[in-house]
Amino acid sequence: DAKTTQPPSMDCAEGRAANLPCNHSTISGNEYVYWYRQIHSQGPQYIIHGLKNNETNEMASLIITEDRKSSTLILPHATLRDTAVYYCIAPPPHYNQGGKLIFGQGTELSVKP
Amino acid sequence: SQTIHQWPATLVQPVGSPLSLECTVEGTSNPNLYWYRQAAGRGLQLLFYSVGIGQISSEVPQNLSASRPQDRQFILSSKKLLLSDSGFYLCAWSRGLDEKLFFGSGTQLSVL
Repeated sequence: DAKTTQPPSMDCAEGRAANLPCNHSTISGNEYVYWYRQIHSQGPQYIIHGLKNNETNEMASLIITEDRKSSTLILPHATLRDTAVYYCIAPPPHYNQGGKLIFGQGTELSVKP
Repeated sequence: SQTIHQWPATLVQPVGSPLSLECTVEGTSNPNLYWYRQAAGRGLQLLFYSVGIGQISSEVPQNLSASRPQDRQFILSSKKLLLSDSGFYLCAWSRGLDEKLFFGSGTQLSVL
C-alpha cells in the first residue's frame, strides 16, 4: 500500500483555514486517499476521502494534485474543537491486499485562540 | 442509524490475568469488524479483522486472540496479559473492506 508522509505537528489560529498536507508519491491509480482525525482519548473519526477529483463535505475539503502524489486537507474555519491528530491514509483496494486501513503517526493539529 | 458499543472504557489488570473486551454493532448486518491498538503517543496498529462469523484474520503475532461468535459481536481476549499489552484498544466496523471505518470509543487498558 502507498506510504503516506505527514508533518508531525502544525499550529493554526482559531477562525483561520487549516491546511494539512500529505505526500503519497507511491500511490497507485486505484488507491483512494482517506482522512481521519482522532481527538485525544477518543476513537478516530472519518473526515473525507477521494480518488482523483477534489472533494468537499460538511467537515472539510480535500484537494488532490493532478499527479495524485500529494493531497491537502482543508478545514476552512478551524475551531478549538478541531484540535486533534489527523491521519492521511492510502490503502490498497480490497482485491489487492484486503483494503485494511493502516494508520501512521499523523499530524497533530493545535488550534490556538 | 448504526452505532458501535465498546466496553469497558478503562481497565486495570494485573500481569498474567485474562482479558475479554467486547464490541457490538447495531443497525447493520454482516459488517467487517476490526480491533486496533494504540500505544501511548503512537499510531494505530491493526490487530485483527473479520469479514464474517467465525472468520478472523490476524495481522501481527501477539499474545491476543479475537473471536466473532455472532454477526455483530467481536471479542478480543487474552489468557495471560503481559505488560506490553497495555494500550488503547479500539473496535471499528465498516460495510466492506474498501469502505470507511466507524470507531468505538475505545478501552484504555493498563497492565500492572
